[in-house]
Parts: sequence; structure tokens; C-alpha cells
Amino acid sequence: GQQVMQIPQYQHVQEGEDFTTYCNSSTTLSNIQWYKQRPGGHPVFLIQLVKSGEVKKQKRLTFQFGEAKKNSSLHITATQTTDVGTYFCADNTDKLIFGTGTRLQVFP
Amino acid sequence: DTEVTQTPKHLVMGMTNKKSLKCEQHMGHRAMYWYKQKAKKPPELMFVYSYEKLSINESVPSRFSPECPNSSLLNLHLHALQPEDSALYLCASSQLPRYLPVNTEAFFGQGTRLTVV
Repeated sequence: GQQVMQIPQYQHVQEGEDFTTYCNSSTTLSNIQWYKQRPGGHPVFLIQLVKSGEVKKQKRLTFQFGEAKKNSSLHITATQTTDVGTYFCADNTDKLIFGTGTRLQVFP
Repeated sequence: DTEVTQTPKHLVMGMTNKKSLKCEQHMGHRAMYWYKQKAKKPPELMFVYSYEKLSINESVPSRFSPECPNSSLLNLHLHALQPEDSALYLCASSQLPRYLPVNTEAFFGQGTRLTVV
């Protein structure tokens, strides 16, 4: 069946360090979305990627869609304590299926 | 108004009870979703409604019964649940994917934290 895997499962970083989470699909994606879920909160939309090789930036966050549209990444530069949470990619090809998620902990 | 409102926020129910979860949005979205999320796991899709019609049922047990009375409301009726059904139940809404490349971001409610005893 449809699977969207993310690595790593957990990441602990010192504030100021960079962070990257990778998302891999077993099938080609028409588009991919990224969400952030704070502890005790609900998923909040970050961005949508549609085109092969697309790169989008939001301040310290950089999102990339692979050339083959089967993988994606989220990179955070100089993490802050406010970045704490779980980051999910989601396959939005015909229904919104969440990846396994990467939980980020940032130590001050 | 970019909010999805879910009630109640917390619910404790016995295995013989019948209860309902409610979800409301006023963004004109024609797709609405129910997700189940266990602790430290991703949201797991249960049902999708498109234009008030059930379009996807991810093989959810019949003790969960969704209902979409109109384009703004989505209910999840619960009956004879099991303790393993305890989870956070999230409602979401979005425009339909067929409207790509228009943004199809999903807006999530705060969820109902359900405990089955």
C-alpha cells in the first residue's frame, strides 16, 4: 500500500544547529505537503510542493521536492526552541496521507 | 475565518455508550476529513467527504459512523468502542485536490481527545 517514510524518527539538536528531515515515498507523488505539529497541538500546514525539483524557502526553512517526485526534504537553518515539534510530510496525490514524522527537540 | 472547530475537546466514554464528535468549518471547503492519531504516531486517515458525500472509507470498523449533514458540518458517531480506540480524533477541511495548483492546504481542528473506559 501507499507508504510515506521519514527519517530520522527523532532528532535532538542544540539551539543554533541545523536540522534536516527526509521524506520518501514508494510511489510518484503529484504533490507533497509539509505540516508541523507542536506537542499537544494539531497539524499546521507549512507548504505545498508541486513541481519536480522545486525548492521553496520560508525564512529559515527550505523545502525541496525531488526530481523524480518520490522524495522531499525540509531543512531548518539555525534552529530555535520555537522549532520544537513533529514535522510531517504528507502525500496529497488523491488523499492526504501523512508520513511517519520526525520529532525535533531543540536544547537551549 | 480560517478555523475548524471541534467539540468536545475531551471525551470519556464507556464501551456501551453512544457519543458523537462534531466538526464545523466556514471556509467554503468541499472536502472534510476525519483522522485518528495515537500518541507519537502520525494522523491516520479514516474518512473523506467530498461535496457532502462519503468518498473514502479507509476500512474503518462500523462502530465509527461518519455523517455530513451539510457543507459546513461533519460528525463522527461512536458506538460500542473499545479501549484501543482511545486517541486524538482530528477533523480537517480543504479545497479538493482537483483544483491544483490552487493551494489545497488542510486546516485542522484542535481535536477531540477520546478515552474509552
